[in-house]
Amino acid sequence: DVKVTQSSRYLVKRTGEKVFLECVQDMDHENMFWYRQDPGLGLRLIYFSYDVKMKEKGDIPEGYSVSREKKERFSLILESASTNQTSMYLCASSHWWTGEGNQPQHFGDGTRLSIL
Amino acid sequence: AQSVTQLDSHVSVSEGTPVLLRCNYSSSYSPSLFWYVQHPNKGLQLLLKYTSAATLVKGINGFEAEFKKSETSFHLTKPSAHMSDAAEYFCVADPSGGYNKLIFGAGTRLAVHP
Repeated sequence: DVKVTQSSRYLVKRTGEKVFLECVQDMDHENMFWYRQDPGLGLRLIYFSYDVKMKEKGDIPEGYSVSREKKERFSLILESASTNQTSMYLCASSHWWTGEGNQPQHFGDGTRLSIL
Repeated sequence: AQSVTQLDSHVSVSEGTPVLLRCNYSSSYSPSLFWYVQHPNKGLQLLLKYTSAATLVKGINGFEAEFKKSETSFHLTKPSAHMSDAAEYFCVADPSGGYNKLIFGAGTRLAVHP
């Protein structure tokens, strides 16, 4: 089974802190993604990466950055945390498209981040 | 613009009765389609996927979905609900090749009563 592991289930930080959220997948997936999930707003894509050291902005990249130094690890960085970044953060990974159609994304259990 | 519409935000059923969660998509061509389930404080778990090989797709936990191109629908069904099915369900489209950028429905919360 695919396993996507997020380093923390719950995290509490203060405004202005630099926050790192880590995600590791064990299936050699090329693609990795970071989402945030908020009530009434659904899942929104923050950043994604389709290869080591490659990154693409998603729909809401402001206030975030990412790092992918190794294929299995994708980090989300809140440069200076703010209260409006309190949210559930979900990491996902998938294989590159194949001739059999788009491959599903596999999700981690999420990190519930509170910024005080 | 491509979109996914889940027609019910909440569905309530009794244990042992059928489940129907409705989903319509808007796309200029047939995308890959998925159903995911999310239990409280958990990530999204893949239930099933449609990628044009067969219009009736069977998934885990007794769920299945039928792709109807003429109706642009991909409804999720289960013959008999179980208490453990209570969760939020997301219909998701992947219109792109390669980059795998998903379009999420707003979700349907399924309640199962004894």
